[in-house]
Amino acid sequence: AQSVTQPDIHITVSEGASLELRCNYSYGATPYLFWYVQSPGQGLQLLLKYFSGDTLVQGIKGFEAEFKRSQSSFNLRKPSVHWSDAAEYFCAVGARGSQGNLIFGKGTKLSVKP
Amino acid sequence: DTGVSQNPRHKITKRGQNVTFRCDPISEHNRLYWYRQTLGQGPEFLTYFQNEAQLEKSRLLSDRFSAERPKGSFSTLEIQRTEQGDSAMYLCASSPGQGNYNEQFFGPGTRLTVL
Repeated sequence: AQSVTQPDIHITVSEGASLELRCNYSYGATPYLFWYVQSPGQGLQLLLKYFSGDTLVQGIKGFEAEFKRSQSSFNLRKPSVHWSDAAEYFCAVGARGSQGNLIFGKGTKLSVKP
Repeated sequence: DTGVSQNPRHKITKRGQNVTFRCDPISEHNRLYWYRQTLGQGPEFLTYFQNEAQLEKSRLLSDRFSAERPKGSFSTLEIQRTEQGDSAMYLCASSPGQGNYNEQFFGPGTRLTVL
């Protein structure tokens, strides 16, 4: 069965510091991979996605993620965090050949210290 | 294009009552999804429509839940005889369907509280 693991429930970083949020997936083949961000009272916003090709993908708001097939990972990174990045981040997978649902991790809540 | 909209944004009801939520997808998106998100969890898939056809339902979607998309545009999700365990955020998403069919755009959600 497909699954997504985000090992860190809550991370606190200082403003201006670098950030890496971890995501591991379990799937028989290479899935479609996504990172979403959810701010309080807001819907989920897509940060970036990986379908195929270059394993380093760039997203919005200065985020990037790297797909590592050997580690079944798709970690999210940002070189310098801004206070407005405080939110909850969700990694998700979608099955190739499927028409439908995404499977989400439980999320990582990011707090930013001034 | 105003994005995916959901109404109401908040709903408080008493156990045993029926509730209905509405989702308006991005225009011309032919795929529509419902998810449920409980506290401390990621969204969990409930059901999916391709135009007006409901093509997939999760085991989470008990007999008390029903979803419709009668004209292939907006969708409704009804919960009958609500239980306290139904308290959650109900999220709707839409997708263009072709090409990047798994790129889903989410609405702000409807937060349901069952007393």
